[in-house]
Amino acid sequence: KNEVEQSPQNLTAQEGEFITINCSYSVGISALHWLQQHPGGGIVSLFMLSSGKKKHGRLIATINIQEKHSSLHITASHPRDSAVYICAVRLEAGSYQLTFGKGTKLSVIP
Amino acid sequence: GAGVSQSPSNKVTEKGKDVELRCDPISGHTALYWYRQSLGQGLEFLIYFQGNSAPDKSGLPSDRFSAERTGGSVSTLTIQRTQQEDSAVYLCASSLDGSGIYGYTFGSGTRLTVV
Repeated sequence: KNEVEQSPQNLTAQEGEFITINCSYSVGISALHWLQQHPGGGIVSLFMLSSGKKKHGRLIATINIQEKHSSLHITASHPRDSAVYICAVRLEAGSYQLTFGKGTKLSVIP
Repeated sequence: GAGVSQSPSNKVTEKGKDVELRCDPISGHTALYWYRQSLGQGLEFLIYFQGNSAPDKSGLPSDRFSAERTGGSVSTLTIQRTQQEDSAVYLCASSLDGSGIYGYTFGSGTRLTVV
C-alpha cells in the first residue's frame, strides 16, 4: 500500500464547477505539500500545510492531521486549471524527503 | 537564473551507454533534490544535497547512479551503463533550505529514453 493515496486518479469537470481532490496518508508527517504539474512537465508548488487551511486565489487546501487527510479545492474551475495535482508529504521532524502520491489528472472542459 | 534549469530536456541513448543530466538551481538555494518520474508512477526521491553536508544518496536505485554538486550550485546526475528501466523523466528541485517551508522550485525535467 502506498504511503500517500490520492483520489480520484482522473477527474473531468465542466468549466465553473467546484473541484475537490483528496489525499490520504498513512504515516506521521511534519508537513504536506500540494504541487501542480502542467502538460510539458513543469511542477509548481501550490501549498505547504502543517495544520488548518490555506487559500490562494481560487485554490483552497485543508488538512486534518488526526484523520491523516488533506483536500485541495478549486472554485470556479477554468480550462487553464487542467493539470496533474500531486500531494506530497514530508515525514516527521528531521526529514527533508518528500513522499509523493501518484497524482490526480484534472481536465476542465469549456 | 530565474528558475531551475535542467539540460538536456530530452535525451535518447542506447542501452549500455553513460548519460549525464545537469541541474542549475536557483542562485542562493542551498538544498537541491533529484527525483525520477516513471510512466504512471509518482515521483521517486533519488538524492538530496544540502549546503556542504554529505549528500543523502539513499534513494539511488543502484550503484550505476551517482550525482555531484560542485561549488554548492550546479549538480550532475550520472547514469552509467543505462538500462531500459532507467527511462523516465528526471526532475531536479531546489529550495532555500532543507526545511521545505519556503516551498520547492522544480525544473522542467530531462526526459530520458533508453533504447
